[in-house]
Amino acid sequence: EDQVTQSPEALRLQEGESSSLNCSYTVSGLRGLFWYRQDPGKGPEFLFTLYSAGEEKEKERLKATLTKKESFLHITAPKPEDSATYLCAVQAESSGDKLTFGTGTRLAVRP
Amino acid sequence: DGGITQSPKYLFRKEGQNVTLSCEQNLNHDAMYWYRQDPGQGLRLIYYSQIVNDFQKGDIAEGYSVSREKKESFPLTVTSAQKNPTAFYLCASRGTGVETQYFGPGTRLLVL
Repeated sequence: EDQVTQSPEALRLQEGESSSLNCSYTVSGLRGLFWYRQDPGKGPEFLFTLYSAGEEKEKERLKATLTKKESFLHITAPKPEDSATYLCAVQAESSGDKLTFGTGTRLAVRP
Repeated sequence: DGGITQSPKYLFRKEGQNVTLSCEQNLNHDAMYWYRQDPGQGLRLIYYSQIVNDFQKGDIAEGYSVSREKKESFPLTVTSAQKNPTAFYLCASRGTGVETQYFGPGTRLLVL
């Protein structure tokens, strides 16, 4: 069974204090790993798709990396507007269209 | 603007009542999905459709039904058989040849 574990559950940072969010996964053949940002009461907003170990993608203050067992979302010099819940999901080669989601990391950035 | 719309934003259901949640997309995507989000849990797949007039059950299909008569539309009915319907419902779509699913703004369903 595919599994996704995100840590920490919640993270509080001071503005400008860089940190990383973790997404550990167990899947029988990774087809893709996805990062989304979700604001309270809204739908998830797509951030990144990673396909193979060693791959990295960047967008503004965010950088996503992928190994064979986990993915990291690095946040450099965060701002209060980066406060949100960050969701990780995996798609297995054997699971067709199905995504398995983690429970998310709630990030709060204080000014 | 291309995107996914869901309506209503809030929906109230009475005991024994069926309610229908709307999902429309103008992205020309073939695949559409319905997820349920509960506090402290990851998104769970209810139903999905890869093509018009065809759909498959996800992990938690009991108490729900769908139809896919048009490419743009994938409505979800929450039936009276769903005993715990209170949740945030999310619709998503995906284009052909890509893996990324894009989400709508969601509908919050509450039970009166």
